[in-house]
Amino acid sequence: EVQLVESGGGLVQPGGSLRLSCAASGFTFSSYSMNWVRQAPGKGLEWVSYISSTSSTIFYADSVKGRFTISRDNAKSSLYLQMNSLRDEDTAVYYCARDPYSTGWYWFDRWGQGTLVTVSS
Amino acid sequence: DIQMTQSPSTLSASVGDRVTITCRASQSISVWLAWYQHKPGKAPKLLIYKASDLESGVPSRFSGSGSGTEFTLTISSLQPDDFATYYCQHYNSYFRTFGQGTKVEIK
Repeated sequence: EVQLVESGGGLVQPGGSLRLSCAASGFTFSSYSMNWVRQAPGKGLEWVSYISSTSSTIFYADSVKGRFTISRDNAKSSLYLQMNSLRDEDTAVYYCARDPYSTGWYWFDRWGQGTLVTVSS
Repeated sequence: DIQMTQSPSTLSASVGDRVTITCRASQSISVWLAWYQHKPGKAPKLLIYKASDLESGVPSRFSGSGSGTEFTLTISSLQPDDFATYYCQHYNSYFRTFGQGTKVEIK
């Protein structure tokens, strides 16, 4: 069974940093592109970042470019999101989500349950 | 950026009703559209991809149609498990955007 389990969320002050992790199991992690998608309280879904299967291609939403860094460790079947210079508007549930292929951009066929990040003083 | 607009924002319906949700793109996206179901505290669930292809395991009461800029998600006979928020999402470019969501409530 495909499983994506996020961790690392919590309360952080504005300007602070946090590192999210997503542990994957039940599939060959190295064969799929991965993403982070977030949902702010009372709002809709927002794509945040994409990384191809070999980490050769990376994209960010304008709202996080220069502050967030996506990475992956295929040997550990894990996806990461390093979040720096956090702002109030980064408060959200962060989901890791799988693309159905190794490269390119498609629908998200599997999602984790999410981890809550709260940015507040 | 491509903007996705869903209507209605909220829909009140009864079990057994036929329900239709519309999603409009700000420019043509061919058939590069997906639909998701999302319940509070749970992972979003893929329902439809490529505008009309049903994801494996999704009940056949869900269907999608459309191309270009206008798309619809139809639930042929609403079931108790279907009360949730539904999102459309384009994948015409790497910068994928979602509609604002349609909440399907019990009437």
